[in-house]
Amino acid sequence: RKEVEQDPGPFNVPEGATVAFNCTYSNSASQSFFWYRQDCRKEPKLLMSVYSSGNEDGRFTAQLNRASQYISLLIRDSKLSDSATYLCVVRSYNQGGKLIFGQGTELSVKP
Amino acid sequence: DAGVTQSPTHLIKTRGQQVTLRCSPKSGHDTVSWYQQALGQGPQFIFQYYEEEERQRGNFPDRFSGHQFPNYSSELNVNALLLGDSALYLCASSYTENSGNTIYFGEGSWLTVV
Repeated sequence: RKEVEQDPGPFNVPEGATVAFNCTYSNSASQSFFWYRQDCRKEPKLLMSVYSSGNEDGRFTAQLNRASQYISLLIRDSKLSDSATYLCVVRSYNQGGKLIFGQGTELSVKP
Repeated sequence: DAGVTQSPTHLIKTRGQQVTLRCSPKSGHDTVSWYQQALGQGPQFIFQYYEEEERQRGNFPDRFSGHQFPNYSSELNVNALLLGDSALYLCASSYTENSGNTIYFGEGSWLTVV
């Protein structure tokens, strides 16, 4: 079983749609959680950290459920520029702080 | 303030050859990690260097080795290249190992093995 699992997609949605990505992780000792965005043939870039209380950044909302070991990302009012691969990432300090990535979920927003 | 820089950006090698990839961390960062990202997959941790020592290693064979220099820059070496080594190699830097400090990625080196 992979340490971090995501639905690979692709998700094809029209502009203005709301889309949700889900992710599960297996290491209960994981301590930090993130969503990264990766554009085609580019490096991953931090989109947002994820906190137990849930957090929002504009159109993006992230949720963490430690009991279920589940992370989500909600994108509202999708824009063409949101088209990218979204990577779910966990970090465990008992593993030296390395980042553990899911395989990514591809999003394509169409006009 | 320069971010994480990597070189070369693209390269093509033949099976069996050796390759060296280079990384300069973001200014003020002392910890460098390397990741391999195959097509359609998320990045996989190779190893991490701090204070010129390999501190952690992922599930990669000994053909993958590295080095960190006193100025914190780092090299990734891959010997006896296989077709399956074709991937994007990402360097990431941060300040101090095993901390909550933000990790920054370079643009990566695209390696194609033919």
